[in-house]
Amino acid sequence: SQTIHQWPATLVQPVGSPLSLECTVEGTSNPNLYWYRQAAGRGLQLLFYSVGIGQISSEVPQNLSASRPQDRQFILSSKKLLLSDSGFYLCAWSRGLQAKNIQYFGAGTRLSVL
Amino acid sequence: QQPVQSPQAVILREGEDAVINCSSSKALYSVHWYRQKHGEAPVFLMILLKGGEQKGHEKISASFNEKKQQSSLYLTASQLSYSGTYFCGTDTGTASKLTFGTGTRLQVTL
Repeated sequence: SQTIHQWPATLVQPVGSPLSLECTVEGTSNPNLYWYRQAAGRGLQLLFYSVGIGQISSEVPQNLSASRPQDRQFILSSKKLLLSDSGFYLCAWSRGLQAKNIQYFGAGTRLSVL
Repeated sequence: QQPVQSPQAVILREGEDAVINCSSSKALYSVHWYRQKHGEAPVFLMILLKGGEQKGHEKISASFNEKKQQSSLYLTASQLSYSGTYFCGTDTGTASKLTFGTGTRLQVTL
């Protein structure tokens, strides 16, 4: 069966510090991968998605970036965090259009920027 | 553009029914429904494909009107475990991504 791992579960970072969140998927190959951000009490905002190694689509212009160095690894980064970067970051995977884009989410990382 | 869900929030007593609506301004290939419990990740409930399909999951069912680009989620005889925030996710079929709605917070009380 497939599993998705995200870490860390919680993170407290000062403004201006760098960020690296990692997501890995097990039990499948060539998944589509997604990064979402959810502000407190709000909806799911798609940040980046990737349909293959080195292929990243950015949905929202901001100080975040994403990379996919390996088939089942997706990394969200920032060089300098802003207060507005606080939120719940969720990674998700899918088998793409052939599986109707059904997405499965990781447990998430709760980021507080102080 | 983000799909609009209504109502934004609803409080039910256990055993009551509820309907959550999702409306999109774009032509859709499918509509997905997810439930997120507080502090947890969203969990997939069901998918509706264009064609007016109606599906069910225990006492939760949904419909999709592709002409109106609207979907409704029906929760029958609600249970405490139904509490959470419900999101619809819309797929235009042109890219490998979903656009999630504004969310509906459902609270079921005794």
